[in-house]
Amino acid sequence: DTGVSQDPRHKITKRGQNVTFRCDPISEHNRLYWYRQTLGQGPEFLTYFQNEAQLEKSRLLSDRFSAERPKGSFSTLEIQRTEQGDSAMYLCASSLDLGYTEAFFGQGTRLTVV
Amino acid sequence: DQQVKQNSPSLSVQEGRISILNCDYTNSMFDYFLWYKKYPAEGPTFLISISSIKDKNEDGRFTVFLNKSAKHLSLHIVPSQPGDSAVYFCAALYNQGGKLIFGQGTELSVKP
Repeated sequence: DTGVSQDPRHKITKRGQNVTFRCDPISEHNRLYWYRQTLGQGPEFLTYFQNEAQLEKSRLLSDRFSAERPKGSFSTLEIQRTEQGDSAMYLCASSLDLGYTEAFFGQGTRLTVV
Repeated sequence: DQQVKQNSPSLSVQEGRISILNCDYTNSMFDYFLWYKKYPAEGPTFLISISSIKDKNEDGRFTVFLNKSAKHLSLHIVPSQPGDSAVYFCAALYNQGGKLIFGQGTELSVKP
């Protein structure tokens, strides 16, 4: 399977702990996106990379959130000092850099902060 | 502010009938629109898209219509099948890519 892969699928953590998620995009895709989805809502944009450059960050991405894509391949999303409001599905997507084109999503990481 | 809106949280149709899912947007800069389907515990899957220079795009049982003057698009599924039961998201983007702006989703239930 050469789709977008996310790890872990589920994460339960205590409030105040740090968590890190990983995303492996489709290999030839140079754009990588992170979204967050809460119950009853559509995915909300967090940030995106073109190769290793982080081109845009949402105001939703507080200073507790950081994302990296060090070699333009996989990406990590870290949340420091987690809060209960961080509980959500974190989705990663990738796409080609061909102007208007669809993004392909991974299965997501479900974060629960207790 | 919600730039892409799906005002119907749910829709129920009989198998074989037409399903019509609606989406409204406010940002006139959007020039490309996509529909995604999402099953529980899975990521969204791309379904069909349309450029703002067109008013219709068709792919098998799925047709998307765009009315730019009304800032409205719709997804038609004909005939509907039980396997189409899922949450459908409308999404928009502009300026040749970058972030997708999603609606809240409509949960479609197709009953046998």
